Amino acid sequence: LAKTTQPISMDSYEGQEVNITCSHNNIATNDYITWYQQFPSQGPRFIIQGYKTKVTNEVASLFIPADRKSSTLSLPRVSLSDTAVYYCLVGDIRAGNNRKLIWGLGTSLAVNP
Amino acid sequence: DTAVSQTPKYLVTQMGNDKSIKCEQNLGHDTMYWYKQDSKKFLKIMFSYNNKELIINETVPNRFSPKSPDKAHLNLHINSLELGDSAVYFCASSPRFGGMNTEAFFGQGTRLTVV
Repeated sequence: LAKTTQPISMDSYEGQEVNITCSHNNIATNDYITWYQQFPSQGPRFIIQGYKTKVTNEVASLFIPADRKSSTLSLPRVSLSDTAVYYCLVGDIRAGNNRKLIWGLGTSLAVNP
Repeated sequence: DTAVSQTPKYLVTQMGNDKSIKCEQNLGHDTMYWYKQDSKKFLKIMFSYNNKELIINETVPNRFSPKSPDKAHLNLHINSLELGDSAVYFCASSPRFGGMNTEAFFGQGTRLTVV
């Protein structure tokens, strides 16, 4: 299975940059890396997706080293409203059973004033 | 306009009952999904339809039956509800099935409680 490992929880303060690293040692050639955010009582919300190197959008950056065995989601200048659970997913939903997207427990980020 | 909407938001029912959850997306997406999030917050995919065709059918009890009358709708019917079916069920859609740029848009969830 395309398993990922990420910290269970993280704490930060408003205005800081937060980096959440996800380990995915058995990533396959065709696998993409996708991050989602989930607030309590809401459905997950797509943040960013990448395959290699760096991807940046209006809310986050995703850094992927050359070996692709890990990835880092970077949230610039977090605010209280960024308090949520962040999920790292690796795989391709089109793939067979051993490469489907598996959702772990995610990283619970708490942003403090 | 809500992109992915599912009804009802809350559903409390007794064991043995049959219930349905409806989902509609107005994004023009080809692919729709049903996910289950249990009390431990694990999200698991249950079903996926692409252009009304069932393409993912994970190991779920056959009491769960999805139905896609058209590309914009994917309903979930559950027969003979059991206590263990209590969870939050999310509907989602994506532009296409798999690959790059296939971000999924999720509904607000249906919290099902079986008593």
